[in-house]
Amino acid sequence: SQTIHQWPATLVQPVGSPLSLECTVEGTSNPNLYWYRQAAGRGLQLLFYSVGIGQISSEVPQNLSASRPQDRQFILSSKKLLLSDSGFYLCAWSAQRFNEQFFGPGTRLTVL
Amino acid sequence: QQQVKQSPQSLIVQKGGISIINCAYENTAFDYFPWYQQFPGKGPALLIAIRPDVSEKKEGRFTISFNKSAKQFSLHIMDSQPGDSATYFCAASDQTGANNLFFGTGTRLTVIP
Repeated sequence: SQTIHQWPATLVQPVGSPLSLECTVEGTSNPNLYWYRQAAGRGLQLLFYSVGIGQISSEVPQNLSASRPQDRQFILSSKKLLLSDSGFYLCAWSAQRFNEQFFGPGTRLTVL
Repeated sequence: QQQVKQSPQSLIVQKGGISIINCAYENTAFDYFPWYQQFPGKGPALLIAIRPDVSEKKEGRFTISFNKSAKQFSLHIMDSQPGDSATYFCAASDQTGANNLFFGTGTRLTVIP
């Protein structure tokens, strides 16, 4: 069966510091991968998606970037965090050509 | 622009009652409509989904009703239980991007004993 991992689970970072969040998927190959951000009490905002290694599409202009160095690895980064980057970051995967998306456990990021 | 509008924002239901959450969309290219359940501090979990070729889908106590002409769909939770207390998100997807999902803003459901 497929599983999706995210780490770290929680992170507290000062403004201006770099960020690296990692997501890995097991039990499948060539998945679509997604990064979402969820602000407190809000819905899910799609940040990036990837249909293959090195292929990244950005949905919103922002302070963040994403990379997919391996088939089942998706990384969310920032060079300098802003207060507004605080939130709950969720990684998700779907099989190619299928709509169902499955979410990871999330990373709670607090920028102080 | 919110592509999927969800209501109500919060809902309180007595144990054993029916919980109803509604969503509306504008994009007629949407062809997949899932519902997700999220507990505090956890990632959303896929609950049930429907495609526009059917008007209703039922899985256990959870039912999606779909009205294509009105561009609306709803989640009904029958015999609501305190364990159903969570935030529920509707979403919709078309064939663009990587079958990207557009989410509603969520409904916080509280089922009181």
